[in-house]
Amino acid sequence: GAVVSQHPSRVICKSGTSVKIECRSLDFQATTMFWYRQFPKQSLMLMATSNEGSKATYEQGVEKDKFLINHASLTLSTLTVTSAHPEDSSFYICSARVEGGYGYTFGSGTRLTVV
Amino acid sequence: KNQVEQSPQSLIILEGKNCTLQCNYTVSPFSNLRWYKQDTGRGPVSLTIMTFSENTKSNGRYTATLDADTKQSSLHITASQLSDSASYICVVNQAGTALIFGKGTTLSVSS
Repeated sequence: GAVVSQHPSRVICKSGTSVKIECRSLDFQATTMFWYRQFPKQSLMLMATSNEGSKATYEQGVEKDKFLINHASLTLSTLTVTSAHPEDSSFYICSARVEGGYGYTFGSGTRLTVV
Repeated sequence: KNQVEQSPQSLIILEGKNCTLQCNYTVSPFSNLRWYKQDTGRGPVSLTIMTFSENTKSNGRYTATLDADTKQSSLHITASQLSDSASYICVVNQAGTALIFGKGTTLSVSS
């Protein structure tokens, strides 16, 4: 089946540094990738939608200069949290739409802790 | 407003028992409804996907129902196992656009 590999699974970084999260589609081409953030006991909140080769579309209230998304190939999308602060600590999850069906497959998530 | 409401918020059951989780939605236009299982610290994993014309769909011990007229869905888990302990998320795909997520039901199965 369609698999999205997300790395790292956990990362701890110092305040002010940047962190990159990668999502790779292993056995299919992901023309569209979604990035979500999830706080404890809350539902997934869509941050942005990226299409391969074009600029990402950010949801209202999400700072595009802080959360840099790159989708340069059909199998790789990255989210970079720039100048991270403790309030950016959260669970970040990517998802790809599987073409030809109704499926959306999710990565395993990245737990970001900013200290 | 497009919303997905799930109940109960949390549930504790004994191993081997059955349970039913509820999902009500007001999303329009409707494309499909999905149930996901999310283990703690992991990404969601798809259980079922149902379109407008489907009333029920099973995946092993998981059976989902959909009433598109009343905009309600349920997820029934039979003969629960300890590994069923997770958050179960109802997601409605708004036609042509976004996935609308419920907040999930946290299920705890105890021995």
